[in-house]
This record gives sequence, structure tokens and C-alpha cells, in this order.
Amino acid sequence: DIVMTQSPDSLTVSLGERATINCKSSQSVLYNSNNKNYLAWYQQKAGQPPKLLIYWASTRESGVPDRFSGSGSGTDFTLTISSLQAEDVAVYYCQQYLFNHNTFGQGTRLEIK
Amino acid sequence: QLQLQESGPGLVKPSETLSLTCTVSGGSISTTIYYWGWIRQSPGKGLEWIGSIHYSGRTYYNPSLKSPVTISIDASKNQFSLKVNSVTAADTAMYYCARQDYDNVWGTFHFDSWGQGTLVTVSS
Repeated sequence: DIVMTQSPDSLTVSLGERATINCKSSQSVLYNSNNKNYLAWYQQKAGQPPKLLIYWASTRESGVPDRFSGSGSGTDFTLTISSLQAEDVAVYYCQQYLFNHNTFGQGTRLEIK
Repeated sequence: QLQLQESGPGLVKPSETLSLTCTVSGGSISTTIYYWGWIRQSPGKGLEWIGSIHYSGRTYYNPSLKSPVTISIDASKNQFSLKVNSVTAADTAMYYCARQDYDNVWGTFHFDSWGQGTLVTVSS
């Protein structure tokens, strides 16, 4: 299994400031045949199902605000919220989906300072 | 607007079978470009993928699961189902169904639409 490890486990950021969440995979999720990173990011607010934010490591899902961005390749990935809003309080998960198997990171809880 | 809705018993006894159904509305389950998956979340914990199925019947399962699972599909009802056999307290979780993007060359991808989830408790 590919193990996904997120850091930090929790994060407190002031409104309007940048929030950065990291995700590391135990092996590369870059598929050389199509040069795509099989990595997605989700946001889960309290009492709700996860919501897809980013896929292919950096492609924003339709309707997701452009303050959310994804970057990275191979084994190291980052989700960045450029200017934190109150509605961004949530737990964020990364997911790898290489070779028809899926594993999630343990989650990062994001709160407002 | 695609909607997924999980249904099934909220309480299952240990050693029995957990059975859940996901009903898809606003779109057809009989499409080549999606798989349909089950993901669970134990109380206060993270997400665990259980398995995914294509309308053709092809399935992928999480090999790390301790309890035997089966996922099936009924295209005539626009539904897919999950069975977890011989459940234990460790199977207590919120169970989500979700649509998974797919390409027949490059495989299965991210989950782009989720149900609200159904809480299943395993207890005698």
C-alpha cells in the first residue's frame, strides 16, 4: 500500500493569511506513461462529506475558489490557501489513486487564530 | 445535479453482515467513464477506501481490509451495494458512497461526488 502522510496534523492561521498543508507519499504517485500525478485534495467540514478541491495534484475542481491551489510532484505535495477565509475551517485530506487503489492521508485540521 | 444517497440499517450485531445501498439520481450509473465507490470514516478518524465498482461489474477492493467485503451493482435500479461480512466493532463508521472518475486506459481517479453518508454502529 502507498502510505500518505500529512503535515501538520493541525494548523491555526489568521484570517487573510496563507495556509500550507503538506502531503508525502511513501512512493511516487507520478505515472510516467501519462506524466500525471495521481493525487487529489479534499475538504471536509464538520458534519459533511468530503468535497473534492484539487485533482491531478494541481487541477482545481469546477467552482472551487482560486485561493485554493495544489502543487508538487512525485512524492511531495502541497495544498495552499492563499488568503484564509472563515469558511475554510475544515479538515483537509490528500488521496493517492495510482493503479486503481486509493489511500488517504490522516487529515489536517485547519482552524482560525 | 447528481445525487447519491446511502441507505441501510444503522445498527448491526457483531459477526453479522452489514448491507448498504447507494441510490444514484440525476444521472445514470450505466456509464463507462465512472466507477462507483464506498469509503468509510470511523468516529473521529480519517477516510478509508473500501472498494469501487464499474457498471460492467469489474471491481477493485482495498486489500488491507480485515473484514470480507463485496460490492455489487444493479443498473436497472441505478443502485450499487456494499456487504461487509462478519463485522466487528472496528467496522463502526460513517459509510459514504461516491462517484469516481475513470478512464479505460489510465485507470480510476478522484472521487468527485459524494453522498451525505450513513452511520453504522456494530454492537450487540
